[in-house]
Amino acid sequence: DAGVIQSPRHEVTEMGQEVTLRCKPISGHDYLFWYRQTMMRGLELLIYFNNNVPIDDSGMPEDRFSAKMPNASFSTLKIQPSEPRDSAVYFCASSFEQPGLGGNEQFFGPGTRLTVL
Amino acid sequence: AQTVTQSQPEMSVQEAETVTLSCTYDTSESNYYLFWYKQPPSRQMILVIRQEAYKQQNATENRFSVNFQKAAKSFSLKISDSQLGDTAMYFCAFMKNDMRFGAGTRLTVKP
Repeated sequence: DAGVIQSPRHEVTEMGQEVTLRCKPISGHDYLFWYRQTMMRGLELLIYFNNNVPIDDSGMPEDRFSAKMPNASFSTLKIQPSEPRDSAVYFCASSFEQPGLGGNEQFFGPGTRLTVL
Repeated sequence: AQTVTQSQPEMSVQEAETVTLSCTYDTSESNYYLFWYKQPPSRQMILVIRQEAYKQQNATENRFSVNFQKAAKSFSLKISDSQLGDTAMYFCAFMKNDMRFGAGTRLTVKP
């Protein structure tokens, strides 16, 4: 398996523009997580899905942020409109639930470095 | 809500020596998972070791081992025979339904 795939790896945009980050989880994983990493706040969980259904979006900072998972192999995180303070590295991770059989480990993608000018 | 605390923002160790990174957490749960992740300069998050709270035996993965003290809610990581490639940020994480990370410890292994 290729692991969790994220695109783009780098994104530079101007304030006010819409940004869409993409994630393909590992096949067979039924959980998908979006994180944001900044120097000031560390790794923050934004939202996670189970079987394509959003379970907890309490970490989503504002209404400008939205996430979707239309199917088991694809998810997007959208920021509209973007602001300079959204600059960060955004990680997607996936996992499967099999307690006692090596489950619960989250496999991370390489991240998307977003810069909003 | 669960919180994870890593009290050492930065640490350094000489190559081939042993270093211990601290982690404490706060939870009212009895069953959960704990993890240590490594983030090298490449930015990729890599799982180092995991521990199930219901297991009393401390997890070990080659040069990496943990000291899990459930009553004290402590989960430290010991790296033996440190190597230059161990230089990275290390994150402690607690997982019940979702995963919460500590602020990280930047470890530098010196030649």
